[in-house]
Amino acid sequence: EVFLVESGGGLSRPGGSRRISCAASGFNVSGSYMSWVRQAPGKGLEWVSVIFSGGGTYYAERVKGRFTIFRDNSKNTLHLQMNSLRVEDTALYYCVKEGGYFGGWGQGTLVTVSA
Amino acid sequence: DIVMTQTPLSSPVTLGQPASISCRSNQSLVSTDGNTYLSWLHQRPGQPPRLLIYKISKRFSGVPDRFTGSGAGTDFTLTVNWVEAEDVGVYYCMQASQFPRTFGQGTKLEIK
Repeated sequence: EVFLVESGGGLSRPGGSRRISCAASGFNVSGSYMSWVRQAPGKGLEWVSVIFSGGGTYYAERVKGRFTIFRDNSKNTLHLQMNSLRVEDTALYYCVKEGGYFGGWGQGTLVTVSA
Repeated sequence: DIVMTQTPLSSPVTLGQPASISCRSNQSLVSTDGNTYLSWLHQRPGQPPRLLIYKISKRFSGVPDRFTGSGAGTDFTLTVNWVEAEDVGVYYCMQASQFPRTFGQGTKLEIK
């Protein structure tokens, strides 16, 4: 069974940095496509980034150059390094096991960017 | 980017009655491998989304058979054949045929 637990959310200042993480169990992160999806308070879902099983990555235009997705295979964990944070990055961030469909979701970690 | 448009945005329904949600993409969702990666997700208040339907019409594990997906190309429909109280929440269509992945705006299903 796919089990995902996000962590690392909190309050950051505009221009600041934060790293959020997602611990996986029940499958290998290294062998899967893994995405980050975010949801601003009261809003819909927005895809952020993916890391492919081969290690390649892809980003939404809104975060390209600021966010970096990577994984630690030894700890079966996915990370999202977020730099140059903006107020509009405030959201609940979910990690998702995908591969043509988004079948496994974590509970999310809340990142708030505010002065 | 592929734009996903859902209608209606709000749907009041009577328990036991059917409900349908439409999703339209601004370009074909047929992928280079021949599959159409159109999914439907359901999100209850305070909960993460959960997958209901993938590849247009395949029910995910544990999804009741009152949920049916249909469509092709750019037009898709989610039908709840009879609505139960636990079905309230927001439904999203999404495409995973191309990057960036994109979602519809969401349709709020509520009980009359």
